[in-house]
Amino acid sequence: EDQVTQSPEALRLQEGESSSLNCSYTVSGLRGLFWYRQDPGKGPEFLFTLYSAGEEKEKERLKATLTKKESFLHITAPKPEDSATYLCAVLFSSGSARQLTFGSGTQLTVLP
Amino acid sequence: NAGVTQTPKFQVLKTGQSMTLQCAQDMNHEYMSWYRQDPGMGLRLIHYSVGAGITDQGEVPNGYNVSRSTTEDFPLRLLSAAPSQTSVYFCASSLQGPPEAFFGQGTRLTVV
Repeated sequence: EDQVTQSPEALRLQEGESSSLNCSYTVSGLRGLFWYRQDPGKGPEFLFTLYSAGEEKEKERLKATLTKKESFLHITAPKPEDSATYLCAVLFSSGSARQLTFGSGTQLTVLP
Repeated sequence: NAGVTQTPKFQVLKTGQSMTLQCAQDMNHEYMSWYRQDPGMGLRLIHYSVGAGITDQGEVPNGYNVSRSTTEDFPLRLLSAAPSQTSVYFCASSLQGPPEAFFGQGTRLTVV
């Protein structure tokens, strides 16, 4: 069964304390890996698309990277407004090609 | 543009009742989908549509029906509500296929 696992489940950082979130997947035939941000009581907000190992994308304090088995979301010098749940999702080529499989998310809290 | 609009935001149902969750988008997106989100689990796909008149099942379709008579609207029907359907439901859309770029604000449904 295709699986997407995010770690840690929760992460508390002090403002300015850089860290990384992990998304690992067990599947062959990756068609894309995507990161979303979700604020409490709201729908996910699309952040990044990664299609091949070695690819990197950046937006403000966030940088997403991809290897053959996992992706990292690096947060550099985070601010309290970066507090949210970060979701990763994977699109596989096996089975139905038109469905995403989501991880359960990492809840990030950045303390001032 | 309003993006993806879901109504209602909150709903309480009694077991056995039926209801329709509404979803509309004004971006002329062909692909629309419904997910449910439960604590500790990733978003799970219920049904999706690749265009007006075309729908298909996702990972957890039992107990739900959908139809797509127009490009803009994609309602989700609960046929006979059960406590296991207590969840937060998200509608999403994209121009053509996943990943979904836009999510609605969600409907928090409680079945008692």
